[in-house]
Amino acid sequence: AQSVTQLDSQVPVFEEAPVELRCNYSSSVSVYLFWYVQYPNQGLQLLLKYLSGSTLVESINGFEAEFNKSQTSFHLRKPSVHISDTAEYFCAAPNTNAGKSTFGDGTTLTVKP
Amino acid sequence: NAGVTQTPKFRVLKTGQSMTLLCAQDMNHEYMYWYRQDPGMGLRLIHYSVGEGTTAKGEVPDGYNVSRLKKQNFLLGLESAAPSQTSVYFCASSGDLQPQHFGDGTRLSIL
Repeated sequence: AQSVTQLDSQVPVFEEAPVELRCNYSSSVSVYLFWYVQYPNQGLQLLLKYLSGSTLVESINGFEAEFNKSQTSFHLRKPSVHISDTAEYFCAAPNTNAGKSTFGDGTTLTVKP
Repeated sequence: NAGVTQTPKFRVLKTGQSMTLLCAQDMNHEYMYWYRQDPGMGLRLIHYSVGEGTTAKGEVPDGYNVSRLKKQNFLLGLESAAPSQTSVYFCASSGDLQPQHFGDGTRLSIL
């Protein structure tokens, strides 16, 4: 079965500290992987995507994720978080030949001053 | 470029009433989706469409119907609203194997 697993439901961290949000995927899903961010009272927005090529992908606001095929992981990292990074983060993969995507359950990142 | 637009943004219904949520996208995407989001439940797919005139059931389709008469529009209907359908509803669209573009959501309360 196709699955995307986010290993942490909540991650509290202090401002300017590094953070890692963990995502594992089953080998049966496509190798396209995405991270979305959802700020309070908003819809999901694409944060970054891995389609092919370099296994390290970056977003414009300092997040990065590394596609690791051997560990079937796509963890999201940021070396120094800001209060404004407080949001819910979703890892997802489109299902080939099915027209839909598999989403993880989400990780709530709370950045404290 | 408006992206994905959901109408209405807020609505309060009484049990048993019906209503339709409208989703419109201007990106010429083939795929469209309706999700509901409840606290602690993540995103749950209600129905989706892989092209104009097609619809398919997601993981929580009961109590909802959908139609995709035009490629750019995807309608979600509640025939007889129930309190358990109180939720935030998100519409999304995408190309094949591409990231989904989400609307801002419809907050629906059923009393």
